[in-house]
Amino acid sequence: RKEVEQDPGPFNVPEGATVAFNCTYSNSASQSFFWYRQDCRKEPKLLMSVYSSGNEDGRFTAQLNRASQYISLLIRDSKLSDSATYLCVVLFGNFNKFYFGSGTKLNVKP
Amino acid sequence: SAVISQKPSRDICQRGTSLTIQCQVDSQVTMMFWYRQQPGQSLTLIATANQGSEATYESGFVIDKFPISRPNLTFSTLTVSNMSPEDSSIYLCSVTGDSSYEQYFGPGTRLTVT
Repeated sequence: RKEVEQDPGPFNVPEGATVAFNCTYSNSASQSFFWYRQDCRKEPKLLMSVYSSGNEDGRFTAQLNRASQYISLLIRDSKLSDSATYLCVVLFGNFNKFYFGSGTKLNVKP
Repeated sequence: SAVISQKPSRDICQRGTSLTIQCQVDSQVTMMFWYRQQPGQSLTLIATANQGSEATYESGFVIDKFPISRPNLTFSTLTVSNMSPEDSSIYLCSVTGDSSYEQYFGPGTRLTVT
């Protein structure tokens, strides 16, 4: 089993739609959780950190469920510019080692 | 957030040669990481480079193939040695802040080995 697993993509949605991605992790001692966005041929950029019970930033909401060992990312009112690959990243324990999910590709269509 | 630059941005190299990639950060950071991202894949950690100590390599990566230097708190290099076409990939460096675990990435070096 992979340390971090994400929903397979691609997700093809119309503008204005609400879309949700899930990510599961295997290590219950995981410490920190992040969502990154990666545009084609670009480096990953931090979208949101996810701490405790989750957080919201504008149209983006991230949730953490420690009991079930998953995090989610909800995007409301999708924009064309949201089209990208979304990477789930988990920091395990105190080893300062980050595990990356394989990414979920989102295509927002006009 | 830190501003990170990498050189070169891309290169095409012949098999059997070596390439050294530089990573420069605009502020002092303790931890630097080197990743590889093969086409259509997610990121794979090669090694963690802390200033003043030997780099820590992940399973499947060895120092002879990927020697790393970390001479100070703002700079690191990764060398890809004796290259083969399987080394064709994007190589990214990243840093974390000393007070948070948020990672910031350099723009990457796109390597093609022929």
